[in-house]
Amino acid sequence: ETQLVESGGGVVQRGGSLRLSCAASGFTFDDHCMHWVRQIQGKGLEWVSLISWDGSSSYYADSVQGRFIISRDNSKNSLYLQMTNLRPEDSALYYCVKDIGMGTISRGMDTWGQGTLVSVSS
Amino acid sequence: QSALTQPASVSGSPGQSITISCTGTSSDVGGYNYVSWYQQYPGKAPQLIIYEVTYRPSGISDRFSASKFGNTASLTISGLQAEDEADYYCSSYRFSSNVFGTGTKVTVL
Repeated sequence: ETQLVESGGGVVQRGGSLRLSCAASGFTFDDHCMHWVRQIQGKGLEWVSLISWDGSSSYYADSVQGRFIISRDNSKNSLYLQMTNLRPEDSALYYCVKDIGMGTISRGMDTWGQGTLVSVSS
Repeated sequence: QSALTQPASVSGSPGQSITISCTGTSSDVGGYNYVSWYQQYPGKAPQLIIYEVTYRPSGISDRFSASKFGNTASLTISGLQAEDEADYYCSSYRFSSNVFGTGTKVTVL
């Protein structure tokens, strides 16, 4: 069974840092690009970042550019999101997401984790 | 990065067909055949129901179909059922990024 399990969320003060992790199983991890997508409770989805299958390319939403870093360890079937200089508006449920494709163009996000909650206090 | 525009809500009676629009620009929806659609129930993670404009993943009902014309993509749900009541989001590739739509709440009357 294809599965993504996020961890690392929590409560942090403005300006603080958090590192989210995502453990993947049930598929060939290094055959797929991966995303982080977030959702404020009761609101819409916001794409955060993407990383190619081999980690050589990554892209970010303008709202997190320069503050967040996406990375992956294919030997551990794991995806990460290092978040720094956190703001209250970063408070959301963060989903780890598998794409159908390998590269940096999203063909479709076909597997989602259950999310990990990040709360940034002011 | 502005979101794609979707109607806030669409409703229909059981058995009817409804269509949800997703309007972007030539830099996203209109420029690439990388539009996808997601269904989300309250408290649950989204599920992919359409990818690359028109393709359905395995296991997705053929009552879901989609198309694109110019800068607007559309999702049609035929034979509306109570279980279709959910939030729906479109998404598109945009150079060096990705963007979601504003989301549409589908209500089955």
